[in-house]
This record gives sequence, structure tokens and C-alpha cells, in this order.
Amino acid sequence: GQQVMQIPQYQHVQEGEDFTTYCNSSTTLSNIQWYKQRPGGHPVFLIQLVKSGEVKKQKRLTFQFGEAKKNSSLHITATQTTDVGTYFCAGCAGNTPLVFGKGTRLSVIA
Amino acid sequence: NAGVTQTPKFQVLKTGQSMTLQCAQDMNHNSMYWYRQDPGMGLRLIYYSASEGTTDKGEVPNGYNVSRLNKREFSLRLESAAPSQTSVYFCATRMEYSNQPQHFGDGTRLSIL
Repeated sequence: GQQVMQIPQYQHVQEGEDFTTYCNSSTTLSNIQWYKQRPGGHPVFLIQLVKSGEVKKQKRLTFQFGEAKKNSSLHITATQTTDVGTYFCAGCAGNTPLVFGKGTRLSVIA
Repeated sequence: NAGVTQTPKFQVLKTGQSMTLQCAQDMNHNSMYWYRQDPGMGLRLIYYSASEGTTDKGEVPNGYNVSRLNKREFSLRLESAAPSQTSVYFCATRMEYSNQPQHFGDGTRLSIL
């Protein structure tokens, strides 16, 4: 079945450093979604990418969808303590449930 | 506007006991999902219901049953709880299958001794 791999599993950064998490799917995706889960909280939808090569920005967050629609990345510029949490990618291949990556847990050291 | 409501928020069970986790949504969404989240394992789909009247197995259905009671409610039942089922359980909803974000409840933290 469809698998979504996400790396790294953990990332510790100093406040102000950049952060990137990568997501790779075993199959071509119709779209990819990103979620953030704060410690003790539930996943919250951030964004969806649909088009090949698509790039979207939300303030300091930049999301990319690969040309082949099998990989994606989330880049955070100049991390802040409010960025702490686990970031999940989730891929959809047609009319099927989302498949979530295992997430990247981001720690930010002030 | 509550969104997705899960009850209970916390529960401790003994091995072999049964329990039903409840999920209700007021978002008029068609699809509902049950996930479990374990450290380092991400979100694993247990069961889902694409629409009222249908249910399907996800990645880890063994030991669980579900009921889509109506469009609003989707329950998850553990018939004979095992320590391996200690986890955080999330219910999620979505308008339809694809191209829509999922909305999660706050979760149920379940411990089985």
C-alpha cells in the first residue's frame, strides 16, 4: 500500500536557525497536506498543495510540492519558540484516506 | 461551534475490559476517521467511514470495532482491551474524500493496565 516517509524524526535547533522537514511518497499523490501538532494537542491543518512544483508561503513557512508529485518539504525560516511541535505531512492518492508520515518533532532552544 | 468532540478525554482500563470511545461532529462532514498515535509511530488509521452507513478498515484495525451511528457520530469500541492498545486516540472528520483538510478532536488518552 501507499507509504509516506518523513525525515528527520527529530530536529533540535537554536532559536533563529532554519528548519526543514522532508516527505517522500511511494506513489504519485493527488495532493499533500501539512499539519502541526503542539505538545499535548491535536494535529491542526496548515496547508494543502495540489499542483506539480507548487510553492506556497505562510509567513516564515515555505511549502513545496515536487515536480513528480511524490515529495514535499516544509521549511521554516528563523525558527521561534512558538514553532515547537511535530509537523506531519499527509498524502492523498486519489479517492483514498490520507496517509500520514511519522512526523518530525521540532525543538527550539531559546 | 464545538467542531469535533471526543469523549472521554482520559480513561484507565484493566486488561480484558471493554470500552467505547465516542466522537461527534457538528461540521456536517461526510467522512470520519479513527487514528491512534504512539510515540515515534505517527498517526495510524484504525477505521474510517467515508459516508454515513459505510465503514472500512484502516492500517491497524485488529482489536477494534466501529459504528457510524449517524452522520454526526462515529464510535470506536475495544471489546477486550490489551496493554498494546494503550495510546492516544484521535477522531477526525473531513467534508469528503480528497482535497479537503481533516479536522481533529482533542483526543482520548487511554491507558490499559
